[in-house]
Amino acid sequence: IAGITQAPTSQILAAGRRMTLRCTQDMRHNAMYWYRQDLGLGLRLIHYSNTAGTTGKGEVPDGYSVSRANTDDFPLTLASAVPSQTSVYFCASSDSLRGDTEAFFGQGTRLTVV
Amino acid sequence: SQQGEEDPQALSIQEGENATMNCSYKTSINNLQWYRQNSGRGLVHLILIRSNEREKHSGRLRVTLDTSKKSSSLLITASRAADTASYFCATDNFRGGGADGLTFGKGTHLIIQP
Repeated sequence: IAGITQAPTSQILAAGRRMTLRCTQDMRHNAMYWYRQDLGLGLRLIHYSNTAGTTGKGEVPDGYSVSRANTDDFPLTLASAVPSQTSVYFCASSDSLRGDTEAFFGQGTRLTVV
Repeated sequence: SQQGEEDPQALSIQEGENATMNCSYKTSINNLQWYRQNSGRGLVHLILIRSNEREKHSGRLRVTLDTSKKSSSLLITASRAADTASYFCATDNFRGGGADGLTFGKGTHLIIQP
């Protein structure tokens, strides 16, 4: 049982470079999310998607873009990375159509922008 | 902005004792959820309590919700060393039309001393 798979596990990236964080789920959940976790700040929502073909902005969307071409994949792209995007990124999914349900999280991608 | 605030930020107790963590939030909710995060790992869902519920149990976990005070508490009874982790509350402010993510607090770091 895979659940949510994120890649890469960690990455060191030069400032100004473009980077795509990958996220795949095998649970056929309609909703997917990207969060960043920073020390002392908890998790903050970057972008979300309720269904394939639709996306929405979360609390901290600037500098990030997402796409949802199909149900399973929800990549997060940093067009031009900056040091403030150094963080741990978590992808999650939920079966929100069933009402009150929990989110399932991937293991995270630790990104360092230098 | 953060919706939930956990209290305390850190808690250290002896194995076998009970651990209580509190969470306060700001706006109306559909449900409140608690998650656990072991060091370097993703978040794992523990328990969900709906806005019309006041108390819920799951194994050694007991969650209460007071919507008039916009607060919740998580009680872990008979703690074990394996309970050492960070615990986060998260609120679902779903307003219809599709899920738009959870709003997390900053977490309580729980240490169980053997």
